[in-house]
Amino acid sequence: DVKVTQSSRYLVKRTGEKVFLECVQDMDHENMFWYRQDPGLGLRLIYFSYDVKMKEKGDIPEGYSVSREKKERFSLILESASTNQTSMYLCASTPGPPREQFFGPGTRLTVL
Amino acid sequence: SQQGEEDPQALSIQEGENATMNCSYKTSINNLQWYRQNSGRGLVHLILIRSNEREKHSGRLRVTLDTSKKSSSLLITASRAADTASYFCATPLTGANSKLTFGKGITLSVRP
Repeated sequence: DVKVTQSSRYLVKRTGEKVFLECVQDMDHENMFWYRQDPGLGLRLIYFSYDVKMKEKGDIPEGYSVSREKKERFSLILESASTNQTSMYLCASTPGPPREQFFGPGTRLTVL
Repeated sequence: SQQGEEDPQALSIQEGENATMNCSYKTSINNLQWYRQNSGRGLVHLILIRSNEREKHSGRLRVTLDTSKKSSSLLITASRAADTASYFCATPLTGANSKLTFGKGITLSVRP
């Protein structure tokens, strides 16, 4: 079974802190994604990576950056956390189209 | 840029009844996918239907696709309390490798 893991289920940070969210998949998938999910807004794509060191902005990249140094790991970085980044963050991976995406359990981030 | 829209937004049924959820989309697609999300968790892929398929079954799930109407439906038969979750349809972005766009989801409550 494909497994996508995220470093934390719950995280509380202060405004201005640098935050790292880690995602690891164990199925050698080329493509990895970071989404945020907010009530009434559904899932919105933050960043997408289609290969090591390759990344592409999604719909809402402002305030975020990403890193993919190894195929299995995709990190989301909040350079200076703000309260409007309080959200559920979901990581996903896929071997490529037209396959399904496999999601991690999510990280609920609260920025105080 | 959301393409899929689910209907209704919320559905409450009695255990044992069937649940029907609908999804409409705007542009041509080569496949459509349905996902489930239990409260506070990541999404789980349920079923993928390709554009040349009209109907697909998986256990108690039945998905139909009508490309002329740009719509899909997900039927859960003989519902159980454990089916209580949010359900999302997702479609690939045109010409955009493995990126998907998700609807805002349907909240299904199955009363014991």
